[in-house]
Amino acid sequence: QSALTQPASVSGSPGQSITISCTGTSSDVGDYNYVSWYQQHPGKAPKLIIYEVSNRPSGVSNRFSGSKSGNTASLTISGLQAEDEADYYCSSYTSSSTLGVFGGGTKLTVL
Amino acid sequence: EVQLVESGGGLVKPGGSLRLSCAASGFTFSSYMMNWVRQAPGKGLEWVSSITSYSSYIYYADSVKGRFTISRDDAKNSLFLQMNSLRAEDTAVYYCARDHAYSNYYWGQGTLVTVSS
Repeated sequence: QSALTQPASVSGSPGQSITISCTGTSSDVGDYNYVSWYQQHPGKAPKLIIYEVSNRPSGVSNRFSGSKSGNTASLTISGLQAEDEADYYCSSYTSSSTLGVFGGGTKLTVL
Repeated sequence: EVQLVESGGGLVKPGGSLRLSCAASGFTFSSYMMNWVRQAPGKGLEWVSSITSYSSYIYYADSVKGRFTISRDDAKNSLFLQMNSLRAEDTAVYYCARDHAYSNYYWGQGTLVTVSS
């Protein structure tokens, strides 16, 4: 199964907004509203921040938002803070035999 | 509070076997699909295997199909991953996760599996 495509890195200054893209196919992102996003700090387990394209779990800041258009999903982080510096992964349900597929990950640097 | 605690990782030689366990608490385990996700050192996340409630359906990544077996014991609130014919490329931190809408909603802290001679 091919991984979803994410940019390797993005950066932004505190207070700014950034967007991370996640491109799949009609077998995953394009055909299903089961896109999720995860934040992972070094040495820690991933943490779910968005599920079902745009839903936030309880306790996740509303500075995190998700959307989808066609085969591409996006994560937007507004009002960047130093603590947002982390790796971010997208994931989607896939009609392949695996059930789920991840993107390659994006390293966010807060300048 | 949902808790997932993995165990069973360690150092194993190529071709060897290992059985990972995940002890769940804080929710009705039998009602949820459960997933195994792994992360090789310095690499990204890989969806390894999933098992639905009542073990009705099971899924595997192509990279582990035929070598790994996922199972669950709902009476003991436990998830397992039997890993056979291990290869160097299976070296990773293995996480168990509780599913919700095909997302990994809750994660354990992970257990490290190292395959090396």
